[in-house]
Amino acid sequence: DSGVTQTPKHLITATGQRVTLRCSPRSGDLSVYWYQQSLDQGLQFLIQYYNGEERAKGNILERFSAQQFPDLHSELNLSSLELGDSALYFCASSANTSAWDMNTEAFFGQGTRLTVV
Amino acid sequence: GENVEQHPSTLSVQEGDSAVIKCTYSDSASNYFPWYKQELGKRPQLIIDIRSNVGEKKDQRIAVTLNKTAKHFSLHITETQPEDSAVYFCAAPGFQKLVFGTGTRLLVSP
Repeated sequence: DSGVTQTPKHLITATGQRVTLRCSPRSGDLSVYWYQQSLDQGLQFLIQYYNGEERAKGNILERFSAQQFPDLHSELNLSSLELGDSALYFCASSANTSAWDMNTEAFFGQGTRLTVV
Repeated sequence: GENVEQHPSTLSVQEGDSAVIKCTYSDSASNYFPWYKQELGKRPQLIIDIRSNVGEKKDQRIAVTLNKTAKHFSLHITETQPEDSAVYFCAAPGFQKLVFGTGTRLLVSP
């Protein structure tokens, strides 16, 4: 158990719908990252939050948005879903001491498997 | 960081053989290089990492070497076992994010 909790574990929804994925980081970790992993693909960086503020964006679609709340949990919102959005979505957290400190292990949650039908 | 290339994409070995996976990075300021193992349908888990102040680090059958001049680092697994079969990802720091390589699927045959 990494200490990072993601819910739900599985999600099946129809095209055009909107879903929210939730992540609770390890206790005390201020950084939260979201990654997308399509079937047999690598880990594509979506977005990073540090202590409630957005710090870095990857190739995140405009239909996707995220936020980190004062209690440090984060949500990833996916809207107008398409078949190609089907993937594993991972959240990770780390104990880096600043948003620029990337020299710290990232702990991954179990992921949310999203299936768009 | 920012651009991390990983080779090979797939690697098949016999049980007991060694396996080597290589990664190159572009950001010369990078100084932390983790390796993650991901079993099918599971989360990536850190198996070993190295910082730029050392050239090699070992943990039982796993070792990582770093060549900062050439900007590449490698994962070495000795005496491979079937349970080593998984996808392995290298990573390096990018701007406020960890940049992952494209992954190597390692298959260890009994």
